[in-house]
Amino acid sequence: QKEVEQDPGPLSVPEGAIVSLNCTYSNSAFQYFMWYRQYSRKGPELLMYTYSSGNKEDGRFTAQVDKSSKYISLFIRDSQPSDSATYLCAMISGGSNYKLTFGKGTLLTVNP
Amino acid sequence: KAGVTQTPRYLIKTRGQQVTLSCSPISGHRSVSWYQQTPGQGLQFLFEYFSETQRNKGNFPGRFSGRQFSNSRSEMNVSTLELGDSALYLCASSLGVRAEAFFGQGTRLTVV
Repeated sequence: QKEVEQDPGPLSVPEGAIVSLNCTYSNSAFQYFMWYRQYSRKGPELLMYTYSSGNKEDGRFTAQVDKSSKYISLFIRDSQPSDSATYLCAMISGGSNYKLTFGKGTLLTVNP
Repeated sequence: KAGVTQTPRYLIKTRGQQVTLSCSPISGHRSVSWYQQTPGQGLQFLFEYFSETQRNKGNFPGRFSGRQFSNSRSEMNVSTLELGDSALYLCASSLGVRAEAFFGQGTRLTVV
């Protein structure tokens, strides 16, 4: 079993839809969670960083963490064609070693 | 504030050659980590440096090595290149353990 599982999609939605992206993980040592957006041929761009269970909101983006279920989500409200990209979840353990473990990424297309 | 800068952006090398990639982190960031991204494996951790010391290493052969200089700039070297080393190599910088990681645009290496 992989440490981080993420549905690769592809996911296609109409403009204005609410998008839900999810990751599950098996390693309970993961304590810090990030979501990245990656456009084609570009580096990943950090969208959200959370470390506690619950919700964190930033504009149209909401990150949700449920440590008891080992499940994290990213919600995008009022999705725009410019949101079309690959979304990657990433996690860090609580130890002293700094290593991001990534999901495979979900390819999202928002159709105008 | 300047972001993470990686050079060169593109490289084409022949099998058996060696290559050196460079990464300049965000000013003030002392942690630099390297990742390999391929369509099949996604983003995989190579190694992480903090204050010129390698703190963590991923599961890659010894042909992959790196170093960090006193100004936090980092280089990654791959010797005896193989076709399977063709990938996007990404560098990320952060303030330290468990802090947000910011990525550069990557170096796309093609081995022919």
